[in-house]
Order: sequence, then structure tokens, then C-alpha cells
Amino acid sequence: KAGVTQTPRYLIKTRGQQVTLSCSPISGHRSVSWYQQTPGQGLQFLFEYFSETQRNKGNFPGRFSGRQFSNSRSEMNVSTLELGDSALYLCASTHRGGVLQETQYFGPGTRLLVL
Amino acid sequence: GENVEQHPSTLSVQEGDSAVIKCTYSDSASNYFPWYKQELGKGPQLIIDIRSNVGEKKDQRIAVTLNKTAKHFSLHITETQPEDSAVYFCAQRGGNKLVFGAGTILRVKS
Repeated sequence: KAGVTQTPRYLIKTRGQQVTLSCSPISGHRSVSWYQQTPGQGLQFLFEYFSETQRNKGNFPGRFSGRQFSNSRSEMNVSTLELGDSALYLCASTHRGGVLQETQYFGPGTRLLVL
Repeated sequence: GENVEQHPSTLSVQEGDSAVIKCTYSDSASNYFPWYKQELGKGPQLIIDIRSNVGEKKDQRIAVTLNKTAKHFSLHITETQPEDSAVYFCAQRGGNKLVFGAGTILRVKS
């Protein structure tokens, strides 16, 4: 099976712009989670989508949003970019095999640099 | 709230030695504890995980132990090799999200 794919891999934007990142989960996985990774804050949860519905959201401002499509692909959007949004954005695809059988697999990430 | 403390932050070992990384969590309802390895320029890779109904799990040179009473779990790597050098993250599941430790930089010297 192909792994989690994320596009683009690298992105440079300027303050005030907006950006859209894309994630395609592993085939058959219906849940997608997004995380932000920075040297200072580590890996932080952004949100999770399952069957096109947001099930959980982390402590990020409303500038961060996402959605999931019927084919389980997901996008996240960051509006009015700030310098502090520079980070590696990771998408994780979740396999649910039953009770206590959830496993998250990460994509390679999108490296966003805000100038 | 949910919190995971990971120690040490850096660990240097000689090739062939063992490495141990420990994590302590606060959410007693957590039932799933994965470990990820992240190499430079890549996303985290799941290397082993353990669920709350199991106390220990082993996969070749890697093992994880879980003590639910004390709320801590550990990663053990035996016979370390240079390719084990990476950043290792522990995590706990809280609700529908993973809460990660701060990471351990493991350096295996040959």
C-alpha cells in the first residue's frame, strides 16, 4: 500500500498570505489528523477528521481550518499567515481495526516557511 | 490536562550498547502508547506501540514496557546501530488525538 502523501513538500509564503496543504491518507483509512511540529513547541495536534466531519480540535486560533472530502483526502488552510506559523505540518492517517486497535501513520510533512 | 514528559532529551551511546528512553503521562484514561522515530527531513515513523491491556511488547531489537499504575512507559533498544540515530518521540492517546513527548535525540557512536 502507498503511504500517506502530502503536497506540497515545501512552501514559502509571506506574512498575511494564506496557504492550503493537502493530504491523501493510506487507502482504506477514513480518519486524518493534522499536527504542527516546531522546534520550540514540538508536535502539537491541530484537528482530526473522520468521514468528512471534524471530530476533535486542538488549541489553535481560528486561522487554522481544515476539511475532509468524501474520498478521505484532507486539506488544511492557514489564513493571514504569521511568522510563527513557520513549521512542519504533518498529516497522519489512522487505521481503525477495532477496540484498542487504532494506529496513526504519518506522512513526510509539508515544510512551511513564512517570511 | 494531558501531558507527556520524556527523558532524556539527548542520549549518546556506543554502537552495540542499549538505549532506554522513558516517558511519564498524566491522563490515566489513556489506552494507547506509540513510539515514533523521526529522521532528518522525514515524518515520524511508527516503530512500536503498546496498548493498555499489555505490559510489555517486543519486536526484534526494540521493546516497550508499560506500567499503568505508575503511569510511565519506556522504549528499550538493544544492540544499537548507527542507523538507530534519530529523534524518538513517545506519545499517548487522549481522546482522538496523540499527545507527544518533547523527543529524545539518540546518537549512536561507531
